[in-house]
Amino acid sequence: ILNVEQSPQSLHVQEGDSTNFTCSFPSSNFYALHWYRWETAKSPEALFVMTLNGDEKKKGRISATLNTKEGYSYLYIKGSQPEDSATYLCAFLGFNKFYFGSGTKLNVKP
Amino acid sequence: DAGITQSPRHKVTETGTPVTLRCHQTENHRYMYWYRQDPGHGLRLIHYSYGVKDTDKGEVSDGYSVSRSKTEDFLLTLESATSSQTSVYFCAISSASTGTDTQYFGPGTRLTVL
Repeated sequence: ILNVEQSPQSLHVQEGDSTNFTCSFPSSNFYALHWYRWETAKSPEALFVMTLNGDEKKKGRISATLNTKEGYSYLYIKGSQPEDSATYLCAFLGFNKFYFGSGTKLNVKP
Repeated sequence: DAGITQSPRHKVTETGTPVTLRCHQTENHRYMYWYRQDPGHGLRLIHYSYGVKDTDKGEVSDGYSVSRSKTEDFLLTLESATSSQTSVYFCAISSASTGTDTQYFGPGTRLTVL
């Protein structure tokens, strides 16, 4: 069993704040790192798939970076909005299997 | 939305009974996965399939079996349900083994074992 850790576990910010969270994973046997957004009572939805060291991905106000050598990825949200409230999951693909972190729960207050 | 359905969506059963959950896809994707979601654990892989009749274990496979006789269907069976298997079960599909392709998740099945 591989350890994929996300921090912080939860985050409360005000509308308009920018925020970021971390996903840490093993630096060996890396194939890919996925980020998902998971709203309550819904299914996880893909944000990014990252495969190369130094990758940077962006979708609107959300972006992510990847460092495979040191085993971490950051997810950034610029100017948080209440609709960004969700749990953000990362998933490490190694040894042909996906290992998910336990998520960072973001609450954006209007 | 990817064409993934799960059935049943909700089920209550008793300890010791067998239970089968079904995942059905219309995308013709090769890879299918079963996860369970528990508080504090995120999603944990139970079993996955990389083709018809080709399956492998995930990190929490004890007490579960799977079968895939057709591309579109992936069945998860709890051979003798226990209360520790009370959870929300998600099926996912993807088209690539390299992990460069997104996983698409089904709507989930909420299982309660009394």
